[in-house]
Amino acid sequence: AQSVTQPDIHITVSEGASLELRCNYSYGATPYLFWYVQSPGQGLQLLLKYFSGDTLVQGIKGFEAEFKRSQSSFNLRKPSVHWSDAAEYFCAVGANQAGTALIFGKGTTLSVSS
Amino acid sequence: GAVVSQHPSWVICKSGTSVKIECRSLDFQATTMFWYRQFPKQSLMLMATSNEGSKATYEQGVEKDKFLINHASLTLSTLTVTSAHPEDSSFYICSATQTGGIHGYTFGSGTRLTVV
Repeated sequence: AQSVTQPDIHITVSEGASLELRCNYSYGATPYLFWYVQSPGQGLQLLLKYFSGDTLVQGIKGFEAEFKRSQSSFNLRKPSVHWSDAAEYFCAVGANQAGTALIFGKGTTLSVSS
Repeated sequence: GAVVSQHPSWVICKSGTSVKIECRSLDFQATTMFWYRQFPKQSLMLMATSNEGSKATYEQGVEKDKFLINHASLTLSTLTVTSAHPEDSSFYICSATQTGGIHGYTFGSGTRLTVV
């Protein structure tokens, strides 16, 4: 079955500290992987995506993610977290096929302490 | 870049009435649109997939007679919640894609529906 697992429901990090949000996927076809961020009551903002090529992907706001096929993982990282990064983060997987929807993980809530 | 406009951003309606939510692709032709539902502090759950000119494909457990989806043109899809009840209160988000995932999935800003 196709699925996305985000093992951490809630993470708290200190401002300025590094961050890693975990994402594991199960997908039958070649996966296309995404990270989105959502602030309360808002829509989704795309942070980064991986289709092919370099497995280390750079995104907006200083985020990066690394695709590891052997581990079926696509973890999101940021070297130094800012208070404004507090939000809900979703990992999603899709396929390069017309009509294929994204499958989302349950999300990780990031809190930033001062 | 690709933009999807979703309207209204929030709506309050009385039980038993119907509400229509619009999702428009502003600068590209959306061959496929997706409708998601998100409960508070939960993830996005796919409700249905609609292709222009075809009947929508609903996910298991989604009542197609309650959630009517129309995708009459390449730039517009609508979701109508019929005979709304308080349990239909939720955040609804649409997503559009042009020719498969490699071109990206563009999301609308969402609609907060409250049924009183």
